Amino acid sequence: DAKTTQPPSMDCAEGRAANLPCNHSTISGNEYVYWYRQIHSQGPQYIIHGLKNNETNEMASLIITEDRKSSTLILPHATLRDTAVYYCIVSRRGGTSYGKLTFGQGTILTVHP
Amino acid sequence: DAGVTQSPTHLIKTRGQQVTLRCSPKSGHDTVSWYQQALGQGPQFIFQYYEEEERQRGNFPDRFSGHQFPNYSSELNVNALLLGDSALYLCASGHSGGVGQPQHFGDGTRLSIL
Repeated sequence: DAKTTQPPSMDCAEGRAANLPCNHSTISGNEYVYWYRQIHSQGPQYIIHGLKNNETNEMASLIITEDRKSSTLILPHATLRDTAVYYCIVSRRGGTSYGKLTFGQGTILTVHP
Repeated sequence: DAGVTQSPTHLIKTRGQQVTLRCSPKSGHDTVSWYQQALGQGPQFIFQYYEEEERQRGNFPDRFSGHQFPNYSSELNVNALLLGDSALYLCASGHSGGVGQPQHFGDGTRLSIL
């Protein structure tokens, strides 16, 4: 699976958009980009995933560059409850019986009042 | 619709003992993976089960073993516990037929070794 690079920490003001970048320059054509977050003492929570098109759900938007070498997770209106560690993961067929998720250190997002 | 459930939530053992952790997958899921998360680190993949067989394994010793039952639930067994086995153990489930579909995690079992 391709390696990802994320900034170790970011800050965001409550109510503003949080834009979390991820670099995955060695991604291959059959690898998906997944975003999870982990709030202290809980298991990782799935946020969103994509292959090459931009995606949006009730939690966030995922923007993938045309060359697929980087992506950005957007939380449109951050709240204090969005403070967490955010993981960007690249994996082949992540939901199937053959999908191993390789976690890096992630980005610690702190949302301030 | 129940998500991934793990038991127990907390456990304290001493060095040399053996432990069994349990996981019930999300409804409709048939694969189970186990991860170990040390304090301050990201989760590390231990192994994955599908159709009651171990399909992939991470860089963990044979002291770590598992099992998947016909109802898709799973157990993680760790023998000869070491102090370094203290960690949060996470279970994730997925659907084998869902290409690209995400895995979902439980809230883990916190294992402390004294």
